[in-house]
Amino acid sequence: AQSVTQLGSHVSVSEGALVLLRCNYSSSVPPYLFWYVQYPNQGLQLLLKYTSAATLVKGINGFEAEFKKSETSFHLTKPSAHMSDAAEYFCAVRGLTGGGNKLTFGTGTQLKVEL
Amino acid sequence: GAGVSQSPSNKVTEKGKDVELRCDPISGHTALYWYRQSLGQGLEFLIYFQGNSAPDKSGLPSDRFSAERTGGSVSTLTIQRTQQEDSAVYLCASSTRQGDGYTFGSGTRLTVV
Repeated sequence: AQSVTQLGSHVSVSEGALVLLRCNYSSSVPPYLFWYVQYPNQGLQLLLKYTSAATLVKGINGFEAEFKKSETSFHLTKPSAHMSDAAEYFCAVRGLTGGGNKLTFGTGTQLKVEL
Repeated sequence: GAGVSQSPSNKVTEKGKDVELRCDPISGHTALYWYRQSLGQGLEFLIYFQGNSAPDKSGLPSDRFSAERTGGSVSTLTIQRTQQEDSAVYLCASSTRQGDGYTFGSGTRLTVV
């Protein structure tokens, strides 16, 4: 079985500051890991994914995430926040085997960007 | 199509009525998923279709919920005798068989009054 935990349901940063959104996973098999972003009244959009290749993954809009097996983490970062980054962010996991392709999502982190 | 299309975008229904929510996945995507997103909650898995295999219905919360996928393409999620706790955004997603990332639709916001 797989699960993810997102620490912090709300994160607030100043424009231009570092964004760090935390995600820890639990998986009995090597995982695939994903970050999605959801803007108000929209569906989820894939930001980036880890599929057992490079541990540092670069995504859209300047975001990146690093897979750290020793820490079972996949934290999302962006060096400089922009007002347009304000949204809800979801971490998700699925195992490489078992459970089909079903993703298990975290409860989400709402990012607020202040002037 | 170019993306995952869901209809209606909004639905208000009276308690006890049945509703049908539609999802049109990306052409060629063999896998289709339904999730539910309630206010302040994460995404709750409902059901998963993969090609011609039997669907994974393990997430359906009660026997009032059912879904079908006709011809390996369009899917309909049906909720019978709706209750107020069914109010949520219902999201549909599709993916290739490899499943290395979903494409989501914009969702159907269901309000039961």
